[in-house]
Amino acid sequence: ELQLVESGGGLVQPGGSLRLSCAASGFTFSTYAMTWVRQAPGKGLEWVSSISGRDDTTYYADSVKGRFTISRDTSQNTLSLQMNSLRVEDTAVYYCAKVLTAGGTNMVFDYWGQGTLVTVSS
Amino acid sequence: EVVLTQSPATLSLSPGERATLSCRASQSVNIYLAWYQQKPGQAPRLLIYDASNRATGIPARFSGSGSGTDFTLTISSLEPEDFAVYYCQQRYNWPPLTFGQGTRLEIK
Repeated sequence: ELQLVESGGGLVQPGGSLRLSCAASGFTFSTYAMTWVRQAPGKGLEWVSSISGRDDTTYYADSVKGRFTISRDTSQNTLSLQMNSLRVEDTAVYYCAKVLTAGGTNMVFDYWGQGTLVTVSS
Repeated sequence: EVVLTQSPATLSLSPGERATLSCRASQSVNIYLAWYQQKPGQAPRLLIYDASNRATGIPARFSGSGSGTDFTLTISSLEPEDFAVYYCQQRYNWPPLTFGQGTRLEIK
């Protein structure tokens, strides 16, 4: 059974750091592009970052560029999001998602994790 | 950046009725538009991709159409479990990937 399980969320002060993880199972993790999408409380979906399934090229929303880093560990089947210099406006549920087809950057998301809540507040 | 505008913001209908949700793009996204359903406290679920392809396990009452800048998600006969928020998302011109602001489908 395919599963994506996020962890690492919590309460952090503005300017702090947090590392999110997404444990993947049930598919060949190394060959699929993966993505982080966030949802602020009561708001819509916002794309954060993606990593290619072909060559691990990374992509970022302007709102997080230079502060967040996406990476994958294929030995552990884990996707990560290192979040530095956190701001109040980064408060959201963070979802990891898998794309529909292997290879490249086919950004259709067919499986999502349950999400992990990040709260940035003093 | 491609801006996706969904309408209406809220749609109030009864079970058994037909629902028509719209997504308009600020520039052409060809056919590369997807629809997701999200229920409270749950992750989004993929319904339709590339404008008209139903995802695995999605009932036939869900259908998508459109190309270029105008897209429609139709639910032919609403079931109680269909009341949720629906989002469109484009993958034609990115980064950034963009989502619409959502349409809330509520029971009348």
